[in-house]
Amino acid sequence: DAKTTQPPSMDCAEGRAANLPCNHSTISGNEYVYWYRQIHSQGPQYIIHGLKNNETNEMASLIITEDRKSSTLILPHATLRDTAVYYCIGDDNYGQNFVFGPGTRLSVLP
Amino acid sequence: GAVVSQHPSWVICKSGTSVKIECRSLDFQATTMFWYRQFPKQSLMLMATSNEGSKATYEQGVEKDKFLINHASLTLSTLTVTSAHPEDSSFYICSARDSGGAGHQPQHFGDGTRLSIL
Repeated sequence: DAKTTQPPSMDCAEGRAANLPCNHSTISGNEYVYWYRQIHSQGPQYIIHGLKNNETNEMASLIITEDRKSSTLILPHATLRDTAVYYCIGDDNYGQNFVFGPGTRLSVLP
Repeated sequence: GAVVSQHPSWVICKSGTSVKIECRSLDFQATTMFWYRQFPKQSLMLMATSNEGSKATYEQGVEKDKFLINHASLTLSTLTVTSAHPEDSSFYICSARDSGGAGHQPQHFGDGTRLSIL
């Protein structure tokens, strides 16, 4: 079973920030939090990952709570092309625990 | 960035034939690659872990004689669906990590192979 829980769906207005939450209260101390997204009929695309500190790259920001029980992926200015299913995954770098849950279906609306 | 290439992207074949899917890491080496399957409206399910130079590790419920995996080099893993039947129709996706990369490396995914068995 996936170690993370996410809301099944969210809507976001184009141009606004999309904040996608993830609960991972049962991940272990050495497991990183990874975010991927999957656009219809394509393979998952890596977005960002982190362990304890907040992270930012050209795609998104990742905010991890101090107790590591949850995190939020932020897409600062959502576009229509950001419509996808977003997956939050806990992983210890060996892939054995790379379990995909149902994810959050984000719909960016014009 | 790291690129994983999968081929073919789409295949349609008759029941009973065998189908080979290739997964290549184009700009990095991967001692381990992963094969997933995704049915419509469902999430990805890990099928097996492909290990370079040794036998693959299969997840519970996945038939190793049905889904043959070969990882002959550090940049290529193949999945062969033997004697395919309509219930094997699915979206097959591979992924790989950069074995030589520093720090905690993400998995990179191919664009998937849509297999349709008639």
